[in-house]
Amino acid sequence: QVTLRESGPALVKPTQTLTLTCTFSGFSLGTSGMCVNWVRQPPGKALEWLALIDWADDKYYSTSLKTRLTISKDTSKNQVVLTMTNMDPVDTATYYCARTCSTFDYWGQGTLVTVSS
Amino acid sequence: DIQMTQSPSTLSASVGDRVTITCRASQSLGSWLAWYQQKPGKAPNLLIYKASSLQSGAPSRFSGSGSGTEFTLTISSLQPDDFATYYCQQYNSFPFTFGPGTKVDIK
Repeated sequence: QVTLRESGPALVKPTQTLTLTCTFSGFSLGTSGMCVNWVRQPPGKALEWLALIDWADDKYYSTSLKTRLTISKDTSKNQVVLTMTNMDPVDTATYYCARTCSTFDYWGQGTLVTVSS
Repeated sequence: DIQMTQSPSTLSASVGDRVTITCRASQSLGSWLAWYQQKPGKAPNLLIYKASSLQSGAPSRFSGSGSGTEFTLTISSLQPDDFATYYCQQYNSFPFTFGPGTKVDIK
């Protein structure tokens, strides 16, 4: 059974760095062809893909956010971490992690991050 | 980046209606397009991948078609559970991108 769960702070202040962790089970990022993504969704708005990390430790980022994002993995812990620097109120959103290298067949339940002073 | 558009942005329909949503890409995707359904407060759910392949567990009333830059999602007979927002997503190239969504609501 595949599950993913996001964790991290619910509230961050402007200019702070956000660190989110995706903890998953039912698959391994040590398996060839496996990937984990981060996707976000501001309240009432559309989905926005942020980043992907694959089994080989290759990383891909949103063009508009790539200077602020870092994705990493700990294969032994079945975790993927996303950091986003210089947070702004416009970054208020539900952040999801999702599986696979192309289409997203399993998603976490999402974690709402509010950016406010 | 590949830009995705969807039409209409909102669609009002009745149970039993045939519904079609269109997704267009700014450059050719081949068939590397997926469709998702999202209900309020929930994560998206994959319906269609590779433009026309039905995801395991998705109801057969959902179908996808198209290639290149124009794609459609069709619901053959709208059910009460189908009132939701639908997104297309391209995975032809990085960065992946989503369409702006189409909300299907009750007429």
